[in-house]
Amino acid sequence: QVQLKESGPGLVAPSQSLSITCTVSGFSLTSYGVHWVRQPPGKGLEWLVVIWSDGSTTYNSALKSRLSISKDNSKSQVFLKMNSLQTDDTAMYYCARNSLKGGLLYYAMDYWGQGTSVTVSS
Amino acid sequence: DIVLTQSPASLAVSLGQRATISCKASQSVDYDGDSYMNWYQQKPGQPPKLLIYAASNLESGIPARFSGSGSGTDFTLNIHPVEEEDAATYYCQQSNEDLMYTFGGGTKLEIK
Repeated sequence: QVQLKESGPGLVAPSQSLSITCTVSGFSLTSYGVHWVRQPPGKGLEWLVVIWSDGSTTYNSALKSRLSISKDNSKSQVFLKMNSLQTDDTAMYYCARNSLKGGLLYYAMDYWGQGTSVTVSS
Repeated sequence: DIVLTQSPASLAVSLGQRATISCKASQSVDYDGDSYMNWYQQKPGQPPKLLIYAASNLESGIPARFSGSGSGTDFTLNIHPVEEEDAATYYCQQSNEDLMYTFGGGTKLEIK
């Protein structure tokens, strides 16, 4: 079945960078796009970035200068890197699959991982 | 960027009654003949779950008491009849022609 699983460092010092990995199973990254979405404690959802099956990317314009997304199709992994972290980057970080139904691309997220919690603190 | 405004921020609905949540976009999310608005449910400690895609299409496995409608800039999620398990926060989400995604601020639903 379709699964996504995030993994990350848990704790990051201010001004340092964050690297988190999304490992997927049950589908191929050569067919589906994968998003990163974050949620600060007690707050709403913020979309960060998407990498499509062809490797093209679209970034949240407000965070574009700090984000980088890449993937390894053979390992079924998607990587997110964020630079210059501050305390307001403390959040649950989710990866989610973009919906594809009957060959039609829908710009929705149909499967989500459980998230990896990132705390920015010294 | 397109801004999504959800209302109300919270609501309490009696068991078996109807819950209606509104989502207004700062500009139209219609293009190529479709409305690119989706709805999610999120319960505490869980990731969001897709309920409705392309404004009115029910995601597989989602009960038929959930329905979505709207086009252009005005969209609505209805839940009827509301059940206890529907207590959650609901988010709308859009994607524009530039494939930039945004979420609404969320609506917390309480079941009375």
